Amino acid sequence: EVQLVESGGDLVQPGGSLRLSCAASGFTFSNHCFNWVRQAPGKGLEWLSYISRSSSTIYYADSVKGRFTMSRDNAKNSLYLQMNSLTADDTAVYYCAMWAGSGDLYPSPLDHWGPGTLVTVSS
Amino acid sequence: EIVLTQSPGTLSLSPGERATLSCRASQSVTSNNLAWYQQKPGQALRLLIYGASNRLTGIPGRFSGSGSGTDFTLTISSLEPEDFAVYYCQQYGGSLTFGGGTKVEIK
Repeated sequence: EVQLVESGGDLVQPGGSLRLSCAASGFTFSNHCFNWVRQAPGKGLEWLSYISRSSSTIYYADSVKGRFTMSRDNAKNSLYLQMNSLTADDTAVYYCAMWAGSGDLYPSPLDHWGPGTLVTVSS
Repeated sequence: EIVLTQSPGTLSLSPGERATLSCRASQSVTSNNLAWYQQKPGQALRLLIYGASNRLTGIPGRFSGSGSGTDFTLTISSLEPEDFAVYYCQQYGGSLTFGGGTKVEIK
């Protein structure tokens, strides 16, 4: 069974940094590309970033470009999102998500999601 | 960037009734690359429909998607108690964007 589990969410001060992780299991991690998506409290969904299987291709939404860095470790079956220069607008639940089809595909529908991790940016 | 507008914002219906949710794109969605998701509190998002009308394996037949170009519809033919949730459309024809959601609530 495909499982994605995010972690690392916390309360952080404006201007601070945080690193999120997404642990994957139940499939061959290195065969798939991934995305990060967030949802501010009471709001809709916002796509943030995409990474290809070999990390050779990474895309970002304009809202996080230059502040967030997506990466992966295929040996550890894990995804990461390094978030810097955080503001109150970054307060959200952060999800990792994937399309179960093998190969690099962007953009794509997302048929597996983690439960999310909450990031709160506040002083 | 393609902007998706979902309507109505809230749909108040009774179990057994038909639900019709709309998703309108600011420009034509390439190859009808439009998906629908269901979100319930405390649960992971669930992909229902992709390619505008293709139901994911395991999704009940009461869910159907239709439309092309800029206008898309998710129809739930007869609402079950577990269908009351928030529904989002997503386009993946050019970058990746989501609509603002439609909440289907019990009347």
